[in-house]
Amino acid sequence: GEDVEQSLFLSVREGDSSVINCTYTDSSSTYLYWYKQEPGAGLQLLTYIFSNMDMKQDQRLTVLLNKKDKHLSLRIADTQTGDSAIYFCADVNQAGTALIFGKGTTLSVSS
Amino acid sequence: EPEVTQTPSHQVTQMGQEVILRCVPISNHLYFYWYRQILGQKVEFLVSFYNNEISEKSEIFDDQFSVERPDGSNFTLKIRSTKLEDSAMYFCASSGGLNEKLFFGSGTQLSVL
Repeated sequence: GEDVEQSLFLSVREGDSSVINCTYTDSSSTYLYWYKQEPGAGLQLLTYIFSNMDMKQDQRLTVLLNKKDKHLSLRIADTQTGDSAIYFCADVNQAGTALIFGKGTTLSVSS
Repeated sequence: EPEVTQTPSHQVTQMGQEVILRCVPISNHLYFYWYRQILGQKVEFLVSFYNNEISEKSEIFDDQFSVERPDGSNFTLKIRSTKLEDSAMYFCASSGGLNEKLFFGSGTQLSVL
C-alpha cells in the first residue's frame, strides 16, 4: 500500500539550515505537502509542490522533489527557535481522496 | 484568514460512553475529513464526506463511528461506544475541491479512561 517515511528527529543550531527528508512509495497526485504542527496546535499547511516541479522556493523554505527516487525534502534556511515543531510530509492516495502522512520529523532548534 | 474550528479541544470520557466531536469547516468548502493521530504514531485518515454522504472511509472507521453534517456549518464525528484505543488527537479538515489543499483544525484530544 501507499506509504510515506520520514526521519523522526532533527536537531540544529539557530541560524543553520535544516533539511527534512521524506520518501513515498507511489504518487499520482497533483501536490505533495509539508505540514507543520506546533505544540498544542493543529496541522498547519506550510508549503506544497506541484508534482511536475523539481523545486519550489517560498521565502526561507525550499522544497525539492525527485520523482525518480520518490524523494521530497524541505529545507529551512536560517532556522529560528520558532521553527521548532513537528514537520509532516504528506502525499495523496491513488484515489485522490485522502492524505497519507509520514510519522513526522521533530525539529529542535537550539540557540 | 478563514480557519477550521474544532470543539472541544480536550474531551475525557469513560470507556463505553458515546462522544461527539464537533467541527466547523471553512464556509465555502465542499469536502470534509476526519483524521486521527494516536500518540507517537502517524496521522491516519478516517473518513471523507462530500455532498452529504461518506465518499471514502478507512478500515479504522468501523460501525462504532459515524459522521454527520446536521446543518450548513457543522460537521460531527460520533463514536458510539468508546474504547481505550480510541484515545487520540482527532483532526477535522476541509478543502474546496478534490485534490485541493486541506486545511486542518487544531484538533480534539480524546482521552478514554
